[in-house]
Amino acid sequence: QSVLTQPPSVSGTPGQRVTISCSGSYSNIGSNYVYWYHHVPGTAPKLLIYKNDQRPSGVPDRFSGSKSGTSASLAISGLRSEDEADYYCASWDDSLRGRFFGGGTKLTVL
Amino acid sequence: EVQLVESGGGLVQPGGSLRLSCAASGFTFSRYIMSWVRLAPGKGPEWISYITGTSDSMLYADSVRGRFAISRDNAKSSLYLQMNDLRAEDTAIYYCAKDGTVVPSGPWLDTWGQGTPVTVSS
Repeated sequence: QSVLTQPPSVSGTPGQRVTISCSGSYSNIGSNYVYWYHHVPGTAPKLLIYKNDQRPSGVPDRFSGSKSGTSASLAISGLRSEDEADYYCASWDDSLRGRFFGGGTKLTVL
Repeated sequence: EVQLVESGGGLVQPGGSLRLSCAASGFTFSRYIMSWVRLAPGKGPEWISYITGTSDSMLYADSVRGRFAISRDNAKSSLYLQMNDLRAEDTAIYYCAKDGTVVPSGPWLDTWGQGTPVTVSS
């Protein structure tokens, strides 16, 4: 069982807005930053969001992150077919003294 | 352009050893914390270890502590992972990743390699 919990899958149609949730606890999300990654199998994973809501250069503003309490969310607006991928949240855990990822959410663009 | 290229993966028997390498380019390697992360089929990523720029601090996940050792050679801009006493559950694609910061922090991994596969099986 992952320290950070994500829904296994979400789906949407082109142009739609979807959100992916990431649930944790006080010792991880509640006390530390959240990071989001995008991964297409067979390619290198890519950083989408750092420090809860910051976008690295080159990441479109269609991607946004937020955090509230012990949960975080990744929102993708104006959904495109190329957004179809696996998405992972990640955070540091103060109690377990390590870096942890969520189990991942597969986004399907219908 | 920042680039990370892993090598050294392969098929190994349970109890065996393997040494992974990661060649870095396009940034001042010695400044940054570097990590290893693995991704097993059907599972989320698992952070394995990180090492600071000067090698004065390393941290490991509980699942590999005592069996794996991370190291780096700043003169060669290279990162290594020595894996001993390998188990079936270590089967995964192993990625090296560059931290987005020079001080230990959360999993801020701004660049990843393409990964190298490791299969532990008899």
